[in-house]
Amino acid sequence: DADVTQTPRNRITKTGKRIMLECSQTKGHDRMYWYRQDPGLGLRLIYYSFDVKDINKGEISDGYSVSRQAQAKFSLSLESAIPNQTALYFCATSDSLGGSTDTQYFGPGTRLTVL
Amino acid sequence: RKEVEQDPGPFNVPEGATVAFNCTYSNSASQSFFWYRQDCRKEPKLLMSVYSSGNEDGRFTAQLNRASQYISLLIRDSKLSDSATYLCVVNRGSGTYKYIFGTGTRLKVLA
Repeated sequence: DADVTQTPRNRITKTGKRIMLECSQTKGHDRMYWYRQDPGLGLRLIYYSFDVKDINKGEISDGYSVSRQAQAKFSLSLESAIPNQTALYFCATSDSLGGSTDTQYFGPGTRLTVL
Repeated sequence: RKEVEQDPGPFNVPEGATVAFNCTYSNSASQSFFWYRQDCRKEPKLLMSVYSSGNEDGRFTAQLNRASQYISLLIRDSKLSDSATYLCVVNRGSGTYKYIFGTGTRLKVLA
């Protein structure tokens, strides 16, 4: 079984709809992240959480919200989806040791299309 | 100017060739560095961390040059299976603690 899972894997929705992307991990890591990837722009951080009570905005948090329901679960919501939120979304986890051991492990991604 | 910059490529090389990629970063306070590999439409996976003294893992060698603010990845004896996009990742550390991803360098190894 995969250590980091994301649901759904693909989603097509319409402008104005509310969408939730879910991420679960079995790695026991404290830290979780949401990124989006767009062609030519690389991965950009939306939100990150260092533990259940800690939520931080990343560089492109506008239009998104998150919830850390448990150590193992971190969900991303688009309250009112718009077409420029069409992208590939990745969840990632890392442990809290820091430094060069702070490897990020990614989920398989969710391909979201907003029409 | 982007905080982490990579040549997007593609680098088209024959099997068995040696190929090198560079990645430059602008934040001199950056603390840790990584190379990730991403296959088409798949998730990035850690290839190797980059240590100050340089490090090697089989056919892959990573180097860090703090003075010139770049990291490099050398792949020897390229295999068809090495075809992928290689992402340079820099952790700013100290306060912001965020990873900055380069846009990736695409490698195609040709038979």
